[in-house]
Amino acid sequence: GEDVEQSLFLSVREGDSSVINCTYTDSSSTYLYWYKQEPGAGLQLLTYIFSNMDMKQDQRLTVLLNKKDKHLSLRIADTQTGDSAIYFCAESSAGNNRKLIWGLGTSLAVNP
Amino acid sequence: EPEVTQTPSHQVTQMGQEVILRCVPISNHLYFYWYRQILGQKVEFLVSFYNNEISEKSEIFDDQFSVERPDGSNFTLKIRSTKLEDSAMYFCASSELGVTPFGPGTRLLVL
Repeated sequence: GEDVEQSLFLSVREGDSSVINCTYTDSSSTYLYWYKQEPGAGLQLLTYIFSNMDMKQDQRLTVLLNKKDKHLSLRIADTQTGDSAIYFCAESSAGNNRKLIWGLGTSLAVNP
Repeated sequence: EPEVTQTPSHQVTQMGQEVILRCVPISNHLYFYWYRQILGQKVEFLVSFYNNEISEKSEIFDDQFSVERPDGSNFTLKIRSTKLEDSAMYFCASSELGVTPFGPGTRLLVL
């Protein structure tokens, strides 16, 4: 079945860039997503990319998609302590009722 | 910007009781979903709903679960007889053209 994998932890210093990586198996993925979850809070849609794109930039966030390798990354420029959270990668496909298949989440710790 | 809303934010119930979790999806979205997240674990798909019927459900979504869109705006998840292991955050989402925002969640605690 479909699977999404992420590394579980990332630690960076404030002001540095963070890069969170994700791999997925579904070759028919249509959309790929990044969600942010702060402790005890809900799932905030950060950004998403359509599978025919290879890059999307939104302020401090840059999403890169390598469809051939089924690899997705999220780069956060100038990482701040407020960026500390769990970041979930997810994918959906039109042929799958667009349900999201989730990774386990990457816990980002930003050190002052 | 329109948001998905959910009520209640927290619910505590006794094992065996029925609970109804409510969601108001974004009005022009056509796909609706329920997911759950047990504390510290992965987000799990429960059910998708399109064109007024279930389009897919997971193994978790057994006969104790049901969904309904009673009035064209609300989307509800009913758990008929709650078990301890139903304790989780329940998230509603709606989707259109790839945009899939989630509601803030309902934290359900079954005692």
